[in-house]
Amino acid sequence: DQQVKQNSPSLSVQEGRISILNCDYTNSMFDYFLWYKKYPAEGPTFLISISSIKDKNEDGRFTVFLNKSAKHLSLHIVPSQPGDSAVYFCAAPASNFGNEKLTFGTGTRLTIIP
Amino acid sequence: NAGVTQTPKFRILKIGQSMTLQCTQDMNHNYMYWYRQDPGMGLKLIYYSVGAGITDKGEVPNGYNVSRSTTEDFPLRLELAAPSQTSVYFCASRHRDRGKKNYEQYFGPGTRLTVT
Repeated sequence: DQQVKQNSPSLSVQEGRISILNCDYTNSMFDYFLWYKKYPAEGPTFLISISSIKDKNEDGRFTVFLNKSAKHLSLHIVPSQPGDSAVYFCAAPASNFGNEKLTFGTGTRLTIIP
Repeated sequence: NAGVTQTPKFRILKIGQSMTLQCTQDMNHNYMYWYRQDPGMGLKLIYYSVGAGITDKGEVPNGYNVSRSTTEDFPLRLELAAPSQTSVYFCASRHRDRGKKNYEQYFGPGTRLTVT
């Protein structure tokens, strides 16, 4: 059973527009969420996180929104730039294993069109 | 700091061969992890360690073994390689921060393994 789901395998956005990447989760006990960015032939790198006590966290062009009632989070990138083309993973601490571990979604490949 | 380093970057194995994927981190992190990523899939946890001498299974441990004799090193061993183990393998580490939620993991560049 996949506890963190990214239902869109890919997304294409024009440069300068807003990119919105979505993530749904099933476990209401999750209290922290992370977004990772991955370029080809590289390891994932941490992008931004949000605690469940907040509904929004912003870092420059990146904002993550959390809707606990819908068990949904989204990553907004404004404005989108060509360097944002990558695969984005959402993740949450796997609470049924313990907080040492993360469970990851399957990723969304974002392509920014110049 | 070099961060998390992995060797080799690429490897082709024949069925039944064995090999060790190396992982080293220089950040003095307590926690270390091995993941595999198959095409179109997320990261699946193979094994993890919360400190030297302590290891535990993740979601997909079958066919793999690990050891953690030092804080810095966390090698992953494949004993009898099978085509199903063709994947990209990532090592990661994380600092344990008592009393503060910090789940951020730092990843190495990955090892691409093909078993034929």
